[in-house]
Amino acid sequence: DTGVSQDPRHKITKRGQNVTFRCDPISEHNRLYWYRQTLGQGPEFLTYFQNEAQLEKSRLLSDRFSAERPKGSFSTLEIQRTEQGDSAMYLCASSFPGQGIYEQYFGPGTRLTVT
Amino acid sequence: GEDVEQSLFLSVREGDSSVINCTYTDSSSTYLYWYKQEPGAGLQLLTYIFSNMDMKQDQRLTVLLNKKDKHLSLRIADTQTGDSAIYFCAVEVSGAGSYQLTFGKGTKLSVIP
Repeated sequence: DTGVSQDPRHKITKRGQNVTFRCDPISEHNRLYWYRQTLGQGPEFLTYFQNEAQLEKSRLLSDRFSAERPKGSFSTLEIQRTEQGDSAMYLCASSFPGQGIYEQYFGPGTRLTVT
Repeated sequence: GEDVEQSLFLSVREGDSSVINCTYTDSSSTYLYWYKQEPGAGLQLLTYIFSNMDMKQDQRLTVLLNKKDKHLSLRIADTQTGDSAIYFCAVEVSGAGSYQLTFGKGTKLSVIP
């Protein structure tokens, strides 16, 4: 397995447009996370799935954001009516409980620029 | 909520040891992690330490944990130019079923040849 993959790697969009990102986790990992990273900051937690169930959402995830993980495999993160403040790197991570630790493995990220 | 602090910059000469420090606020965190991020790349998990340990060594990396002071450090022995990157300390949020991570802002390590 080659690790967590994300698509696209870069996205430039105009303010007000909708965008959708995809994350493919490591195949046997049942947990999937979305984080957002802005320039000069560490990643901030957005939301988490265990299998297909979205179990936790950060208050950072406004109602313009929606995430899905149909069938517990890949996940999508959609941002509606994008704003310039949405410009960031969106990171996906996956994990599997091995020996009591949930090590999170990150994908390369999708860099979103809203003009 | 959890707060994680790191110094922003560190500069060392090639061959010297680097020590990157981190402080956190949630004393009940179970696992603490170090990640490395190179320009334009995602985060690479370097190592982690369980909260009931004081030290963990993994090749050139040594992690020290002082639970009393809520202080975590990462020592890189024989630092190489390839170690130049941003290093993030991350703490598992206690009591969260998601095991979400809270990250510091990252320490940019510059290695001078």
